[in-house]
Amino acid sequence: EAGVTQFPSHSVIEKGQTVTLRCDPISGHDNLYWYRRVMGKEIKFLLHFVKESKQDESGMPNNRFLAERTGGTYSTLKVQPAELEDSGVYFCASSQDGEGTEAFFGQGTRLTVV
Amino acid sequence: AQSVAQPEDQVNVAEGNPLTVKCTYSVSGNPYLFWYVQYPNRGLQFLLKYITGDNLVKGSYGFEAEFNKSQTSFHLKKPSALVSDSALYFCAVRGPFTGGFKTIFGAGTRLFVKA
Repeated sequence: EAGVTQFPSHSVIEKGQTVTLRCDPISGHDNLYWYRRVMGKEIKFLLHFVKESKQDESGMPNNRFLAERTGGTYSTLKVQPAELEDSGVYFCASSQDGEGTEAFFGQGTRLTVV
Repeated sequence: AQSVAQPEDQVNVAEGNPLTVKCTYSVSGNPYLFWYVQYPNRGLQFLLKYITGDNLVKGSYGFEAEFNKSQTSFHLKKPSALVSDSALYFCAVRGPFTGGFKTIFGAGTRLFVKA
């Protein structure tokens, strides 16, 4: 069974540019999450999709971040325009229904804004 | 506010010795507790979880964790460390927090196991 896959694995962009991160969850997982880890700090929740609907987007930093999950399959996270403080590792995770179920994570996308 | 604390940035252990990676949490209600591990250039991997029942839970790679409700702790342990255990470990709490059901992570603890 394929795991959660994220593209690209690494992205270096200049301040002011746009970057789009993609996440393909495990097939059949309705729940999809985005998280971010800034260097040396904890992994912070960004948002949660249930199928194509945004269940909780309370962790999104500001309106430069836009997440979509058209059709309830893969998801994209766009940063436009990127700022230096957006640098970090962006993780995507998916899970089945159920409160006690663990999430399965992708390998992350390391974003560097210069 | 809900939070997860991993008080040690780094833990150093000699191979063959027991290891402990500490985690405490501050949440309301009865949360679900998890440990994840991240090896270099890999995503987070699930290690173990506590939902209910026996306070000592066993997980992958010989790891176990002890849930202590009175101390609100969920420390990760292994009786005999291996060099290959060197990685970044994250404690996480999952529950119906403000804004919805989600997982909150600690800052992570880097484990170095020396041969």
